[in-house]
Amino acid sequence: AQTVTQSQPEMSVQEAETVTLSCTYDTSESDYYLFWYKQPPSRQMILVIRQEAYKQQNATENRFSVNFQKAAKSFSLKISDSQLGDAAMYFCAFNTNAGKSTFGDGTTLTVKP
Amino acid sequence: GAVVSQHPSWVICKSGTSVKIECRSLDFQATTMFWYRQFPKQSLMLMATSNEGSKATYEQGVEKDKFLINHASLTLSTLTVTSAHPEDSSFYICSARVGTSGSDTQYFGPGTRLTVL
Repeated sequence: AQTVTQSQPEMSVQEAETVTLSCTYDTSESDYYLFWYKQPPSRQMILVIRQEAYKQQNATENRFSVNFQKAAKSFSLKISDSQLGDAAMYFCAFNTNAGKSTFGDGTTLTVKP
Repeated sequence: GAVVSQHPSWVICKSGTSVKIECRSLDFQATTMFWYRQFPKQSLMLMATSNEGSKATYEQGVEKDKFLINHASLTLSTLTVTSAHPEDSSFYICSARVGTSGSDTQYFGPGTRLTVL
């Protein structure tokens, strides 16, 4: 079974600053996929970024990037130039190759103007 | 593209009644659909996985006779909460995926808030 741990229940960042959200996971699988999802107050889950475990290069999507350390089983999300609209709950998720998802407990991000 | 809708968005029902929630993929065909339950400020708990035309696979601890899932077509899955009780009150989220691999992106519906009185 897979486990996903987000050790930061809450994080805060000043607008325009950079923040990093932590995520670690545990698995015995060699092929898997990692995701970060954003859930704003509307509760609609939105895909932020994804990473294939077989890829060494860290994924980047505009202001969002990940630091994927496969040996350490770590998958952190960096948000640069934080905006008020980034305020949300962020979930780290693990997908097995067969497609089963496991989510972390989430990190609530507050962006201060 | 890749829009998933849920209906209703909010439902209030009396204890003992049944409630049906629909999940539709509007612009793609979903081989696989998932149903999650989410309590306030908590994570998503996978309840079941359904593939079109076959029986749903329920996670351990989820009562299959209480939470009936039907995936009758490639664009529609339904979750029926039978004989609902106050403890079933929660936020239910569905997601849909084109393929069956972990690499395939899941697209989430906006969720349904169920309140059982």
